[in-house]
Amino acid sequence: KQEVTQIPAALSVPEGENLVLNCSFTDSAIYNLQWFRQDPGKGLTSLLLIQSSQREQTSGRLNASLDKSSGRSTLYIAASQPGDSATYLCGPRRTSGSRLTFGEGTQLTVNP
Amino acid sequence: NAGVTQTPKFRILKIGQSMTLQCTQDMNHNYMYWYRQDPGMGLKLIYYSVGAGITDKGEVPNGYNVSRSTTEDFPLRLELAAPSQTSVYFCASTLGRGRGHQGYTFGSGTRLTVV
Repeated sequence: KQEVTQIPAALSVPEGENLVLNCSFTDSAIYNLQWFRQDPGKGLTSLLLIQSSQREQTSGRLNASLDKSSGRSTLYIAASQPGDSATYLCGPRRTSGSRLTFGEGTQLTVNP
Repeated sequence: NAGVTQTPKFRILKIGQSMTLQCTQDMNHNYMYWYRQDPGMGLKLIYYSVGAGITDKGEVPNGYNVSRSTTEDFPLRLELAAPSQTSVYFCASTLGRGRGHQGYTFGSGTRLTVV
């Protein structure tokens, strides 16, 4: 059974800092991994999708890396802004199945 | 495209009542999912479907039922509501394994309170 752990559980930083959010998963046989953000009381918005054959994926100030063999993915946020405040979730998708498994997320607060 | 649409957005149920949470997608996705999210927790899979007429249980299926008569619709049924079913419910869809490198699209959720 896939288990996902996200560290840290919560993070509070001043505006402008560069951030690293960590995701680890127990089953390395994944098809791809997706990073989402969730604003309070809202649904999940997809940020980045990284395929199992890729090492990195970038979108604007966001960069996701994937090390499948060690069961880890990292989301890097450059020059953080108050609008980045949200909960960030990672979801690896198993090769032999179709479901996403989620951890509890990292709750990020960026202070002006 | 509307993406994944969930209705209603909010609902209060009394213990023992039943209801159906609706989910529709217009992206011709084969795979659809129902997740629940309890406060401060991650998402747990309730049921999923890999195509019309095919459904299967996820991690927490007790107290729920689903059907998939069309590609577009995947309703979730609560038969005898219990306080433990108070949660936010999310529907999601994806194209399907082996059908291109697609991610998941989520609906905006249904917030259900059972009193």
